[in-house]
Amino acid sequence: GAGVSQSPSNKVTEKGKDVELRCDPISGHTALYWYRQSLGQGLEFLIYFQGNSAPDKSGLPSDRFSAERTGGSVSTLTIQRTQQEDSAVYLCASSLLPLSTDTQYFGPGTRLTVL
Amino acid sequence: DQQVKQNSPSLSVQEGRISILNCDYTNSMFDYFLWYKKYPAEGPTFLISISSIKDKNEDGRFTVFLNKSAKHLSLHIVPSQPGDSAVYFCAGRLGGSNYKLTFGKGTLLTVNP
Repeated sequence: GAGVSQSPSNKVTEKGKDVELRCDPISGHTALYWYRQSLGQGLEFLIYFQGNSAPDKSGLPSDRFSAERTGGSVSTLTIQRTQQEDSAVYLCASSLLPLSTDTQYFGPGTRLTVL
Repeated sequence: DQQVKQNSPSLSVQEGRISILNCDYTNSMFDYFLWYKKYPAEGPTFLISISSIKDKNEDGRFTVFLNKSAKHLSLHIVPSQPGDSAVYFCAGRLGGSNYKLTFGKGTLLTVNP
């Protein structure tokens, strides 16, 4: 079956513009996570969705970042007024259930470059 | 505060030898540890995990050891193969409501033929 997909694979934008990044999780997976990897860093947790529960936004670095998940499936991460420090690879992951024994499956990521 | 540390940014080994990748952590609340492998331009793929109540987990050529008193874990790959060349991330998972992962910066493993 299909894995986690993300689009676009690459995005170059100018400072101050807004961007939207899309994630299609594995069908049937109820938990969805966003992470980002800045150059030379590990993956940094951003936000978590589980079913109809309120998302855990504790990792979002500023109020310029927001995310939504429509219909319990596709998710969009929006960055408003982008800054150069937002340049990173943004990774989406999904898991079947939010259990401690469950594996998170990652998409290929979106490489965002803010000029 | 970096809760998961991979102090070796790179490691080079010969094919057939053992690869040992190390990871240290500071958060005692992690209940699971995971290793992910990442090829260029791809997302990380899950490799192996270990519960905090165990000290060893083995899966084929891959074995993870956990030393809770030292807050240290290691991934052993034996024998190493050229296809194992990738970046390896260690991650700790907090129990609770969301199971978010906290990753180290990764170690680039190169297995030379």
